[in-house]
Amino acid sequence: AQKITQTQPGMFVQEKEAVTLDCTYDTSDPSYGLFWYKQPSSGEMIFLIYQGSYDQQNATEGRYSLNFQKARKSANLVISASQLGDSAMYFCAMREGLYGGATNKLIFGTGTLLAVQP
Amino acid sequence: DTEVTQTPKHLVMGMTNKKSLKCEQHMGHRAMYWYKQKAKKPPELMFVYSYEKLSINESVPSRFSPECPNSSLLNLHLHALQPEDSALYLCASSQVGRRLAGDNEQFFGPGTRLTVL
Repeated sequence: AQKITQTQPGMFVQEKEAVTLDCTYDTSDPSYGLFWYKQPSSGEMIFLIYQGSYDQQNATEGRYSLNFQKARKSANLVISASQLGDSAMYFCAMREGLYGGATNKLIFGTGTLLAVQP
Repeated sequence: DTEVTQTPKHLVMGMTNKKSLKCEQHMGHRAMYWYKQKAKKPPELMFVYSYEKLSINESVPSRFSPECPNSSLLNLHLHALQPEDSALYLCASSQVGRRLAGDNEQFFGPGTRLTVL
């Protein structure tokens, strides 16, 4: 069975500094996708970045990058140049299989609450 | 239009009431989802619709009844709920299909905060 683990319940970071949020996963399926979502206090889940299991390069989206270490089954999110608006809950999620559809089922980790300090 | 909308934003209901949550997307997505999220917990999948047909029901109690009247709309009908059903209910949508470099990320709405008295 697939499993996602986020071991950091909360993190602090100074504004303009970089921060790494940890995520490890476990699956027996060689094909899977990894996602990071941001959830501000308003409640909406905002998609940040995606990494497919066969992707050769680490995904990047603006200030977000995903440090994908397949052998270690980790998919850490790196946020560069933190901003006050980055304060939110961050969820790592996994989907077995590389495509969406009837089985496009996301399993979420428990989340990391990030607080950016001025 | 890359937006999923949900109404109402907030809902307070008694245990004998019948109410409905609505979700709408105009991104041409053919998969739609309902999640339940308790405070300080991750979202939990409830239902998945693919091409307007129910494809996943995560053993949700029958007091929750989903409906997908067309490819853009998803409803969640509520009846005889319990106080422990109070939560944030999130709707999401995504593309469907086989893609070698698939992402098919789920786009979420802002949620409905439900309180059952």
